[in-house]
Amino acid sequence: DAMVIQNPRYQVTQFGKPVTLSCSQTLNHNVMYWYQQKSSQAPKLLFHYYDKDFNNEADTPDNFQSRRPNTSFCFLDIRSPGLGDAAMYLCATSPTSGDTQYFGPGTRLTVL
Amino acid sequence: QKEVEQNSGPLSVPEGAIASLNCTYSDRGSQSFFWYRQYSGKSPELIMFIYSNGDKEDGRFTAQLNKASQYVSLLIRDSQPSDSATYLCAVILNSGNTPLVFGKGTRLSVIA
Repeated sequence: DAMVIQNPRYQVTQFGKPVTLSCSQTLNHNVMYWYQQKSSQAPKLLFHYYDKDFNNEADTPDNFQSRRPNTSFCFLDIRSPGLGDAAMYLCATSPTSGDTQYFGPGTRLTVL
Repeated sequence: QKEVEQNSGPLSVPEGAIASLNCTYSDRGSQSFFWYRQYSGKSPELIMFIYSNGDKEDGRFTAQLNKASQYVSLLIRDSQPSDSATYLCAVILNSGNTPLVFGKGTRLSVIA
């Protein structure tokens, strides 16, 4: 089945230790998104790629970076995680901008 | 003014009743509207989308859109305990070529 896959599902890291979260998709969608979601809050868009065109939200901290080496894969790098970065990180895809988004299962990040 | 607003709830309804979830949006030119369901600790799952004024039905779910009043609602008929979740309203704003803007979600509790 076509889908959005995120690995790992749970990630524990130490304060300040870099971490990379992975997303892959078999939907062949042009657009990939990264969201951060904290408890009882709406998903907060961090970045999105339209193909290789990178779009960074204005309020995304510099501590967060992203890479999309090809259509299928997208990575979220957190260079120096702080306690406030503990959250669920959601990857989503859509065929084009302004279209329905399909979410992966998420990665729950814990920062010790 | 927030772009997409929802009552955070919790909204409690008895099993078998109709649950009515509401969402208002600020951008009058918004084009596309989505309802996602999110179980605790899981990622959002698309329930319905609606583009045109009026009602759209899918099984027990009906989405209603009123662009003049700038609101979109989701009705769940014959509510089941398994419908207990947070329902996120999401909107594509006027420009049309942008990611979804999410509301904070309404938590629904269906009491058996």
